[in-house]
Amino acid sequence: EADIYQTPRYLVIGTGKKITLECSQTMGHDKMYWYQQDPGMELHLIHYSYGVNSTEKGDLSSESTVSRIRTEHFPLTLESARPSHTSQYLCASSAPGVAGGFYGYTFGSGTRLTVV
Amino acid sequence: AQSVTQLGSHVSVSEGALVLLRCNYSSSVPPYLFWYVQYPNQGLQLLLKYTTGATLVKGINGFEAEFKKSETSFHLTKPSAHMSDAAEYFCAVRASSGDKLTFGTGTRLAVRP
Repeated sequence: EADIYQTPRYLVIGTGKKITLECSQTMGHDKMYWYQQDPGMELHLIHYSYGVNSTEKGDLSSESTVSRIRTEHFPLTLESARPSHTSQYLCASSAPGVAGGFYGYTFGSGTRLTVV
Repeated sequence: AQSVTQLGSHVSVSEGALVLLRCNYSSSVPPYLFWYVQYPNQGLQLLLKYTTGATLVKGINGFEAEFKKSETSFHLTKPSAHMSDAAEYFCAVRASSGDKLTFGTGTRLAVRP
């Protein structure tokens, strides 16, 4: 059972609306990530955070913004949704590894956003 | 910079046949490599990972992968495909800085009865 939760699972919204996609994890992970998955299934990192009050832009430019006020919560906001924002958004977190190691991500189930 | 190439965006096998999904990577540092599976309308689930040590790693659902440094490959195999294996599979490599993962473009596996 996943310990990282995304809501809503599906969202259909009109152009120009402000939306917030929620992501929460109960594992106490410091590091969290947002990926955008386009219709061709490729994943692109759009935001990441290595702890509270720390956020960075990812490899793919995005008009969305994120915040990290609490360790467990990493919401993504679109101030004015457009059809080009239609995509699946995946949230993930990672645990610290021993001696600088890394064990990979735990993913949420995703939010499928459609802007009409 | 790290990158991942998955050869074959679609692979189709018969039930009971060998599954082979190919992944090649480039990395300027010793890589951490991962395979994830994604079922329709779901997030990604970790199948297996290579960090250090034994180059043949076993994962869930009977899958395994072998890290071959000389070939810069990390191919995913399963001896006998099951209908429930039909899904999208992603190979990923850890970037040299921080803990960001770079993903391949995915391979969709279809299993024929």
